[in-house]
Amino acid sequence: SYDLTQPPSVSVSPGQTATITCSGDKLGEIYTSWYQQKAGQSPILVIHQDSKRPSGIPERFSGSNFGNTATLTISETQAMDEADYYCQAWDTTTVVFGGGTKLTVL
Amino acid sequence: QVQLQESGPGLVKPSGTLSLTCTVSGASINSFSWSWIRQSPGKGLEWIGYIDYRGSTNYNPSLKSRVTISIGPSKNQFSLNLTSVTAADTAVYYCARHLPVGAARPTNWFDPWGQGALVTVSS
Repeated sequence: SYDLTQPPSVSVSPGQTATITCSGDKLGEIYTSWYQQKAGQSPILVIHQDSKRPSGIPERFSGSNFGNTATLTISETQAMDEADYYCQAWDTTTVVFGGGTKLTVL
Repeated sequence: QVQLQESGPGLVKPSGTLSLTCTVSGASINSFSWSWIRQSPGKGLEWIGYIDYRGSTNYNPSLKSRVTISIGPSKNQFSLNLTSVTAADTAVYYCARHLPVGAARPTNWFDPWGQGALVTVSS
């Protein structure tokens, strides 16, 4: 089975840049999506196809995917960005999620 | 605006069958693919399976022997059945739409998601 590995937690100060990684074998050869899940809420899509932002998602959210690592970058992080973030990709015909990263804005 | 709403019993007995329905509004169920995804308390997301606009299905290999996803029972609804449940199946169950439109493909992403339904397996 295909595994996606995320750091369990990332901390960032308000106004700084947060970087959340997602690692998998040759991940850069397939598309990765990212979801934000705030406490008690359902996940929402923040990045799809590695780097595309859905309408309504702030420009401070960006994504990249090269080699074995996909990266979600949040610039000028705000308190409202504190949440769990999950990466997602496909292993041929099945869907795989990373274990999630808890972003804390200190 | 597309909205998804999960519904079904919140409590299922061990060895019983978990049954949930997702009601879709704002989009035709016959144009997209649809997934069920669950999240155990305090844990991450686990994909259960999908059904596409043609009725074809694909399941997580770890759950495949116990899962059935189908269209219905009513128009613009799709359902999840999970048999022989144990406490390990206690989770919030989400339904979600695949994008873009059409058959499920390895380029798909999920948007939107339903609000989730908590199902507890307990006697």
